[in-house]
Amino acid sequence: GQQVMQIPQYQHVQEGEDFTTYCNSSTTLSNIQWYKQRPGGHPVFLIQLVKSGEVKKQKRLTFQFGEAKKNSSLHITATQTTDVGTYFCAGPERGSTLGRLYFGRGTQLTVWP
Amino acid sequence: DGGITQSPKYLFRKEGQNVTLSCEQNLNHDAMYWYRQDPGQGLRLIYYSQIVNDFQKGDIAEGYSVSREKKESFPLTVTSAQKNPTAFYLCASSTRRETDYEQYFGPGTRLTVT
Repeated sequence: GQQVMQIPQYQHVQEGEDFTTYCNSSTTLSNIQWYKQRPGGHPVFLIQLVKSGEVKKQKRLTFQFGEAKKNSSLHITATQTTDVGTYFCAGPERGSTLGRLYFGRGTQLTVWP
Repeated sequence: DGGITQSPKYLFRKEGQNVTLSCEQNLNHDAMYWYRQDPGQGLRLIYYSQIVNDFQKGDIAEGYSVSREKKESFPLTVTSAQKNPTAFYLCASSTRRETDYEQYFGPGTRLTVT
């Protein structure tokens, strides 16, 4: 079945270091979404990428969607303790822009002060 | 305030009992979803509903049941047939537009079955 893989599963960084999480889909995606879940909280939508090769920035966060629309990445520059949490990517069901999402397992980021 | 509410935040049950988790949204969203989250497992889809009176099984539906009689409500019943029900349960909703259909999550219910 359709799968979304995400690596690494865990990442520990010193405050100020950069962080990247990678997402790969078994199928071509019409779009990809990213979510953040703080410890003890619930996932919160960050962004959606739609176009091949698209790059979007939110302050220190940079999101990329691959040219083949099968992979994506989230890069955080100069991490801060507020970046702590688990980051998930998610893609829609194959052949659809609607319906269910397939979530990656997430990357749990720990930031040491 | 628009949003999704789940109650209760913590729920304790004895093994062999069915338990129903509440999920209500006032976002006027057509689609609603139930996920289960275990440590290190990410989000696993239990059931989802795109419209009222219709729902589909997700990846781990065994031992769970749902209903969607109203647009605002999507309760999840964890039955005694669910072998390992202790988990964090998250409800979400979304529009069915072709753009901007991100999922909005409720605060979750932590279920402990002993």
